[in-house]
Amino acid sequence: NAGVTQTPKFQVLKTGQSMTLQCAQDMNHEYMSWYRQDPGMGLRLIHYSVGAGITDQGEVPNGYNVSRSTTEDFPLRLLSAAPSQTSVYFCASSYSDKPYGYTFGSGTRLTVV
Amino acid sequence: LAKTTQPISMDSYEGQEVNITCSHNNIATNDYITWYQQFPSQGPRFIIQGYKTKVTNEVASLFIPADRKSSTLSLPRVSLSDTAVYYCLVGDYEPYNQGGKLIFGQGTELSVKP
Repeated sequence: NAGVTQTPKFQVLKTGQSMTLQCAQDMNHEYMSWYRQDPGMGLRLIHYSVGAGITDQGEVPNGYNVSRSTTEDFPLRLLSAAPSQTSVYFCASSYSDKPYGYTFGSGTRLTVV
Repeated sequence: LAKTTQPISMDSYEGQEVNITCSHNNIATNDYITWYQQFPSQGPRFIIQGYKTKVTNEVASLFIPADRKSSTLSLPRVSLSDTAVYYCLVGDYEPYNQGGKLIFGQGTELSVKP
């Protein structure tokens, strides 16, 4: 049981490049989310999904796209990377719509130069 | 979701009890209080939740007074490994139409020293 797996762990991009951050969970969780964490700002919600085929925007969605074609996977796409997107990204999944059921991945540290 | 206020940082020494208070003056009748812990370079993990009075598990205790306008996370006899950021979240559990939409504040950065 691997939980929530994020890849890659580290990535350096040039401004304007695109890439996809991968997130996969093997717990059959319906709910999945992406967060970014910047120094002194806690975690901010980017996008979330309540099930396969259903996604919605969080607090800071601009510059990011998501899709949920399967229950297991929830990739986050950066369309045209900007230095402001330098951050640590966390993916989470939950079996419940309540606040206590979340499992987080170990994060992807992204640097945009 | 009710707005929460926590201290930005706290320092403690090994073996001491640490109490982190969260203010949530606008808590609603159906709101529950949930705490997450985040170690450096890791994602957050759930540690405890409660509605009123006291809740205790193997990690922490949560004290909620009768007016529920605040809550206190208590960590008994902390060790260096308890150094982490602690987040207080308040939300309506029933019904909780916020699946996937966990909203964090800035949290409290606890530093435990030898």
